[in-house]
Amino acid sequence: SAVISQKPSRDICQRGTSLTIQCQVDSQVTMMFWYRQQPGQSLTLIATANQGSEATYESGFVIDKFPISRPNLTFSTLTVSNMSPEDSSIYLCSAEGLARDNEQFFGPGTRLTVL
Amino acid sequence: DAKTTQPNSMESNEEEPVHLPCNHSTISGTDYIHWYRQLPSQGPEYVIHGLTSNVNNRMASLAIAEDRKSSTLILHRATLRDAAVYYCILFNAGGTSYGKLTFGQGTILTVHP
Repeated sequence: SAVISQKPSRDICQRGTSLTIQCQVDSQVTMMFWYRQQPGQSLTLIATANQGSEATYESGFVIDKFPISRPNLTFSTLTVSNMSPEDSSIYLCSAEGLARDNEQFFGPGTRLTVL
Repeated sequence: DAKTTQPNSMESNEEEPVHLPCNHSTISGTDYIHWYRQLPSQGPEYVIHGLTSNVNNRMASLAIAEDRKSSTLILHRATLRDAAVYYCILFNAGGTSYGKLTFGQGTILTVHP
């Protein structure tokens, strides 16, 4: 299994600013993902964070708005850029272990409020 | 992506079995059936998954129809801690979609004392 932590756990930000969310896994993992969960909604995949290369974004999400880094097998960051109130959501990272047994582990999420 | 259909909500009493249904009529041969649950104010957690045969683990059982077009997650004795949103997800283990989980709206399970 893998334990995932996220920082910050929550934040309140002003419109037009940017926030970087960190995701740390306690063991090496093959794949890492970032999701968004808007209020009262289900999770939507933003992108796959690829180690050593550019992230792969899902339809409707772009790198300029959500730049992602993944410098090694245990860490990734997601930046929410030029924020607007519509970006208020919970952002979650997930990871699949080296065993690739199809089980994914999720972090506790970062609750973002944009004023 | 193949889709799943789940009831919006279900209710159960504590210590009774719960059967959570999921329809996936467009499932392909390489799709695994995954179940995750999300407790309040937490990230989702893996529950169980299967391909063709029924599966059991310490958390639950997964019953898969012979034609694979539907499945049922079984909680043998519900506890208050099992109150959560349960997601049935089709996971394609091959190709460019590997690893991607497509979450539907899930089933909100309420457990009464």
